[in-house]
Amino acid sequence: GAVVSQHPSRVICKSGTSVKIECRSLDFQATTMFWYRQFPKQSLMLMATSNEGSKATYEQGVEKDKFLINHASLTLSTLTVTSAHPEDSSFYICSRATVNTEAFFGQGTRLTVV
Amino acid sequence: GNSVTQMEGPVTLSEEAFLTINCTYTATGYPSLFWYVQYPGEGLQLLLKATKADDKGSNKGFEATYRKETTSFHLEKGSVQVSDSAVYFCALSDLRDTGNQFYFGTGTSLTVIP
Repeated sequence: GAVVSQHPSRVICKSGTSVKIECRSLDFQATTMFWYRQFPKQSLMLMATSNEGSKATYEQGVEKDKFLINHASLTLSTLTVTSAHPEDSSFYICSRATVNTEAFFGQGTRLTVV
Repeated sequence: GNSVTQMEGPVTLSEEAFLTINCTYTATGYPSLFWYVQYPGEGLQLLLKATKADDKGSNKGFEATYRKETTSFHLEKGSVQVSDSAVYFCALSDLRDTGNQFYFGTGTSLTVIP
C-alpha cells in the first residue's frame, strides 16, 4: 500500500484564494520531504525541500512567500499556495526520500485556478 | 549539472507489441537511474532501478540497462498489455546527496490498445 498519502488529489479554486496541500508519511518518520511541480509537457521540477523543525529550502526561481511549506511534525508536510493565480495551475507532488534507496511519492494534486 | 532527457510521447501501441522508451542523462557524479510509472489517478510508483553502470533493472517484464558509455537507460518490454497504459518517467538521483534529490524526464504517456 501507499506509504505517502497526499491530499487532495484535485482542487479547483478561485483566483486570489489560498490552497493547502497535505503530504503524510504513513510508515516512516520523515525529517526531509520534497515538493515537485509539473507544468504541462514539462518535467517534474523540484520546488523545495521541506525540513522538519526548520525552514524549507527553496529552489531558485520559486517564491517562498507564495508557496508556504510547513513541516511541523515528522509525518506531515504541507504546501500552501497563497493568493493563487491561473499560472499556478499545475500538478504538485510530494515525496519522502530515503537514503540509498528510491523515493516514495504521493498521489499528486492537480490544482486548477480559475 | 544533472538532467534527464526522455522520449516524448504520446506512444500508442497494439497489445503484444514491443516497447522502447528512450532516456538519456547527464550527471556530474555517479547517479542511480530509475523508471517510475504513474497509472491514472495514482502517484508515481517505482518500476525498476539500477545503481551502477551495466546494471540491469527489471520488473513486470520491463527492463532497462544502465549504459554509462552512452549515458542511457532505455526502457523496454517485449510484449505490452493494455494494463501497461500509464505515464512513464525516467529519473536519476545521486545517492551521495542526503535525501535523494531526483531529476525527472518529461514523462512518456503510453496507451496500449487491444
